This record gives sequence, structure tokens and C-alpha cells, in this order.
Amino acid sequence: DTAVSQTPKYLVTQMGNDKSIKCEQNLGHDTMYWYKQDSKKFLKIMFSYNNKELIINETVPNRFSPKSPDKAHLNLHINSLELGDSAVYFCASSPGHLGQPQHFGDGTRLSIL
Amino acid sequence: AQKITQTQPGMFVQEKEAVTLDCTYDTSDPSYGLFWYKQPSSGEMIFLIYQGSYDQQNATEGRYSLNFQKARKSANLVISASQLGDSAMYFCAITGAGSYQLTFGKGTKLSVIP
Repeated sequence: DTAVSQTPKYLVTQMGNDKSIKCEQNLGHDTMYWYKQDSKKFLKIMFSYNNKELIINETVPNRFSPKSPDKAHLNLHINSLELGDSAVYFCASSPGHLGQPQHFGDGTRLSIL
Repeated sequence: AQKITQTQPGMFVQEKEAVTLDCTYDTSDPSYGLFWYKQPSSGEMIFLIYQGSYDQQNATEGRYSLNFQKARKSANLVISASQLGDSAMYFCAITGAGSYQLTFGKGTKLSVIP
């Protein structure tokens, strides 16, 4: 059973399009996250939700909009895709307590043509 | 603000030898946690080991151990008896009490030589 699952695994699309990435966790965790990993492998937090409420919103263009319909799901919608959005996007979840590791999905590789 | 510094972009180690991956951190939180993750070429992020700032002993998990020196603000990962499957990117990360996010270092690419 996959603990944190993201779909799709690969996403290739044209500049200017709108796309969504879905994330689901079956670990019963309260907190979910989106991270972006750039071409140099640097990982940076984008958003964090705790019990469906947004608690972290780093400096991310407002073309990126997370949505959490329930505690187990955190989706990422991206409008008007740009070349610089090409990256691997990771979803993660954790119980939200210090000392508990975050569990990551396998990542979604987004390529903008 | 929290910061992680990993000064070794790449490391080589002979199979069956031990290797130390360096990590230094900076934080203003009195209570914090340090994590190491492994990212193989397949891309997934695998949790390896955790060290809490108030833990008295260094963390160990199988072949992984953490050399935690609080005064020096360092949390180096030691991998004993390296295996070919240990070849991967290794990330050190920090989180603070009340802060849910992980702040990552730039990573170290470890290559194990047969």
C-alpha cells in the first residue's frame, strides 16, 4: 500500500497551460506539504496544510494554488505554466509533531515545452 | 530562519568502507529536529534517521548513525560498511518546534566504488 501517492508521475505540457497534480496519503497524518525540487536538486517548501488549513505559504507565484478537500488530500493547481516551472514536485505528509519524519510521495516531474 | 549547509557536493567511498557526510545548521529555535533523507537515482525521498536537539545520545539506525555536536551545530551522517546501493543524493534537513516545514541543504552526491 502506497503511503503518499501522487499523480501523475510525469507531466509534459505547453507553456501557458493549466495543470493539476493530485496527492493522497493513507497514513492518517494531519499535515501535508508541497515541495519543489529544481534542476540542481534543491528542495524548497512551497505550501503546508494542517487539517485542511493553510499554515505555510512561501514566496510562490499566485499561479500556484493548493487545495485540500480533506485531511488526506492536497492537490496543487498551476495556472499559466511557465518554462521556469519545470521541476519535480513532491507531496509529503507528517503527523505534525517534532521528531516525526515527513513521508514523501514519489514526485511529479513537470516539463514545460 | 533556519539554514542547512552541506559543503560536500560529491563524495566517493570504496565499497565496505565507512563514510561521513557533513551537515551544519543554523537556527534560532531552542527546540529543533534534524533529519537525513536519501534520494536514489529513481527519485524517491527515503527517510534515514532523526536527531532531536534535546536527545542525549546520537541517533543510530542500522548502518546509519548521526554524529551530533550541538555546540558546533553539526549533524554529520555516518554510513558504515558502504554498499553499492548507497550511491545516491543525501539531504540533511531541519525543522523547529511549531514549524512544520523542512529546510533542506543542497545535498551531497555519494558514489560507492566497487
